[in-house]
Amino acid sequence: EAGVAQSPRYKIIEKRQSVAFWCNPISGHATLYWYQQILGQGPKLLIQFQNNGVVDDSQLPKDRFSAERLKGVDSTLKIQPAKLEDSAVYLCASSLRPHPGAAAGTDTQYFGPGTRLTVL
Amino acid sequence: GEDVEQSLFLSVREGDSSVINCTYTDSSSTYLYWYKQEPGAGLQLLTYIFSNMDMKQDQRLTVLLNKKDKHLSLRIADTQTGDSAIYFCAESIIAGNKLTFGGGTRVLVKP
Repeated sequence: EAGVAQSPRYKIIEKRQSVAFWCNPISGHATLYWYQQILGQGPKLLIQFQNNGVVDDSQLPKDRFSAERLKGVDSTLKIQPAKLEDSAVYLCASSLRPHPGAAAGTDTQYFGPGTRLTVL
Repeated sequence: GEDVEQSLFLSVREGDSSVINCTYTDSSSTYLYWYKQEPGAGLQLLTYIFSNMDMKQDQRLTVLLNKKDKHLSLRIADTQTGDSAIYFCAESIIAGNKLTFGGGTRVLVKP
């Protein structure tokens, strides 16, 4: 079974530029998550999708970050304009979880390799 | 509020047991997880435990949960050099909802 795919793996940009990351979840997984992992810290959830609807975006800096999941499969995360403090690894994860209250075990989150962003 | 804390670093000799500790503050945490992250890689789920359990064993891994003290530990038996990585504990209040991670414990296994 193929895992969560992300691209690019690395990106270097200058501050105030724009950048976009792409994620392809595991086939059939209804729920998709984007996390930000700053060096030396644990990942922090930015946004969670259930199919193509947003479940939780409370920690997404909406003045500069946006995300979409068209057709409930692939997702893109965009930063416009980037700031120095956006330098981090952006992790995408997916889980089967077809609906709230689904059977235990369907909520396990599987992570992609991440995109390492450096903002200069 | 949610807060998960871990010690920063653990050094252990190959063949010994490793114990990684984690404390959390949210008493309504329902699911607690241990993830492993190797350099340049994503997070790999090692094991998880539901809050109605005290212990879970899975091959070389043993998870202990003390709900009263809000303390979670991961014991790795017969630690190998391939176990060198950063280990994160995480909590979730509702299955499938966001994970709140600790800052990670870097484990170094010495031959």
